[in-house]
Amino acid sequence: TQLLEQSPQFLSIQEGENLTVYCNSSSVFSSLQWYRQEPGEGPVLLVTVVTGGEVKKLKRLTFQFGDARKDSSLHITAAQPGDTGLYLCAGAPGNQFYFGTGTSLTVIP
Amino acid sequence: DTGVSQNPRHKITKRGQNVTFRCDPISEHNRLYWYRQTLGQGPEFLTYFQNEAQLEKSRLLSDRFSAERPKGSFSTLEIQRTEQGDSAMYLCASSFSGGLNTEAFFGQGTRLTVV
Repeated sequence: TQLLEQSPQFLSIQEGENLTVYCNSSSVFSSLQWYRQEPGEGPVLLVTVVTGGEVKKLKRLTFQFGDARKDSSLHITAAQPGDTGLYLCAGAPGNQFYFGTGTSLTVIP
Repeated sequence: DTGVSQNPRHKITKRGQNVTFRCDPISEHNRLYWYRQTLGQGPEFLTYFQNEAQLEKSRLLSDRFSAERPKGSFSTLEIQRTEQGDSAMYLCASSFSGGLNTEAFFGQGTRLTVV
């Protein structure tokens, strides 16, 4: 059983479209992280959300933490081919980091 | 400090051979994690250290796998008698425990191919 469930698992969209990726859990997290990973590389930290209801923006990326701190979403506006990659949410309810199942995004020029 | 460093980046080995990977964490980080990742999947936890103590091991870590962090700085992950199923990306991450917002930073990984 996955502690963090991400949806969708795969997403292929045209350049310029908007998209949202979801990360859900039945557990409460003190914080959640979002990572982006390119093929053959390690995950790169994008953002950490801490407060329930918090919204953080990183250029065209908007991250939201659920009020109950059990879920998070990532919204990308006007996707570009450079956004292509594997998006991972992660949290540490205890001593180890648990990762979501990942969302593989392909943005077609 | 340039972040988490892993060596080698790529390793091709014959089935049955032993391999060892090294991870140098961010210097002020006291926690170090090892993960394994297969294509298109999220990283799976293997083990983690707080300073030199190995505090948790996944059941994925069979007796052929061993990890050490002798001085609480760099860590090594050894796989003995490699099998084709061991082929994966091995990721190391480090973090600082002590605050509320624990963030893990990853190395670039070691890609293992067992032929």
